[in-house]
Amino acid sequence: GENVEQHPSTLSVQEGDSAVIKCTYSDSASNYFPWYKQELGKRPQLIIDIRSNVGEKKDQRIAVTLNKTAKHFSLHITETQPEDSAVYFCAASIGRALTFGSGTRLQVQP
Amino acid sequence: EAEVAQSPRYKITEKSQAVAFWCDPISGHATLYWYRQILGQGPELLVQFQDESVVDDSQLPKDRFSAERLKGVDSTLKIQPAELGDSAMYLCASGPRQVTEAFFGQGTRLTVV
Repeated sequence: GENVEQHPSTLSVQEGDSAVIKCTYSDSASNYFPWYKQELGKRPQLIIDIRSNVGEKKDQRIAVTLNKTAKHFSLHITETQPEDSAVYFCAASIGRALTFGSGTRLQVQP
Repeated sequence: EAEVAQSPRYKITEKSQAVAFWCDPISGHATLYWYRQILGQGPELLVQFQDESVVDDSQLPKDRFSAERLKGVDSTLKIQPAELGDSAMYLCASGPRQVTEAFFGQGTRLTVV
């Protein structure tokens, strides 16, 4: 089955800096790649996603890039703010249930 | 904004007891998932329903776990008997038919003592 690896496991940045989280996947048939943000004690919330026919997608301060050849995708957060502090999960799907990465704890220092 | 509803939010049970969790997906969502999330890890799929049918339960420990979605709407996940290692967050998610997006509920945090 699909295997998703995510790194780094923790990331600390200064407010205003950019943050990048990277994921690799194993199944070349995967075609959907969402990112979730989970604050402490809350539900994972979908923040952005990308499909395999697109190389990049942006939504305000966040963007996701996909390299199908290398089987990796990345989340980019620009102008980070303290409220961006959370655990971020990447996931991949071949059209059925999502397989999640292990998560990245992002801490934005004011 | 429509949300996935789960209950209870928290459950403490003794090992060997039975426990059940309930999920009501977003109205109109044909796909329903149960995931288990151990602290510090990503969610792992337990079972996926399409309407009332099980699509994938390959990771469900069937000797003690069961799940049903009788009318293709709400769903129940049961554990009997509970073991200490079952302590985790149990998350329900739903998604539209033919689409892969999954929207999560608040989860049920289970503690087995």
